[in-house]
Amino acid sequence: DAKTTQPTSMDCAEGRAANLPCNHSTISGNEYVYWYRQIHSQGPQYIIHGLKNNETNEMASLIITEDRKSSTLILPHATLRDTAVYYCIVRVENDYKLSFGAGTTVTVRA
Amino acid sequence: ETGVTQSPTHLIKTRGQQVTLRCSSQSGHNTVSWYQQALGQGPQFIFQYYREEENGRGNFPPRFSGLQFPNYSSELNVNALELDDSALYLCASSLDSQSTDTQYFGPGTRLTVL
Repeated sequence: DAKTTQPTSMDCAEGRAANLPCNHSTISGNEYVYWYRQIHSQGPQYIIHGLKNNETNEMASLIITEDRKSSTLILPHATLRDTAVYYCIVRVENDYKLSFGAGTTVTVRA
Repeated sequence: ETGVTQSPTHLIKTRGQQVTLRCSSQSGHNTVSWYQQALGQGPQFIFQYYREEENGRGNFPPRFSGLQFPNYSSELNVNALELDDSALYLCASSLDSQSTDTQYFGPGTRLTVL
């Protein structure tokens, strides 16, 4: 699986957009980018995924660069409840598992 | 709410004992995956079951075993517990085992081995 690189931590202000970067420079054409988050001591929560097109749902937007070597998860209006560890995962087509890294600890401050 | 439940919430065992953790998947989901999450680390894949058969396994010893039942419930069994088995154990259900099938996680079982 392609390896991902994320910042260890980041802060953002409540009400502002949070932009979470992820580098996956070795990604292959059939690998999907997934984002999950984990609020303290709970199970990971699915956020969004994409292959090459930008995606948006009720939680977030996923922007994937044209060369697919990096992506950004955007939380449009961060709230205190968005404080969590965010995981960017690259998943091969037909791969049965999710390979989690260390993720980015995001702290939303009032 | 993902519709995935796990029991018990917390469990304390001593070294050498055996433990069974339980998971109830979303109705209609044919696949269940189990993960181990040590403190301060990301979840690590243990194994996956698809329609009651093991479909893939991570780098875990044979004393970690599982079962999946037709009623969308499943078990993770760990024999000969070691101190390093202390972790949050997560199950995740998905419709099938393809990469486009989103895995939905339960709240986890916190296992402490003394």
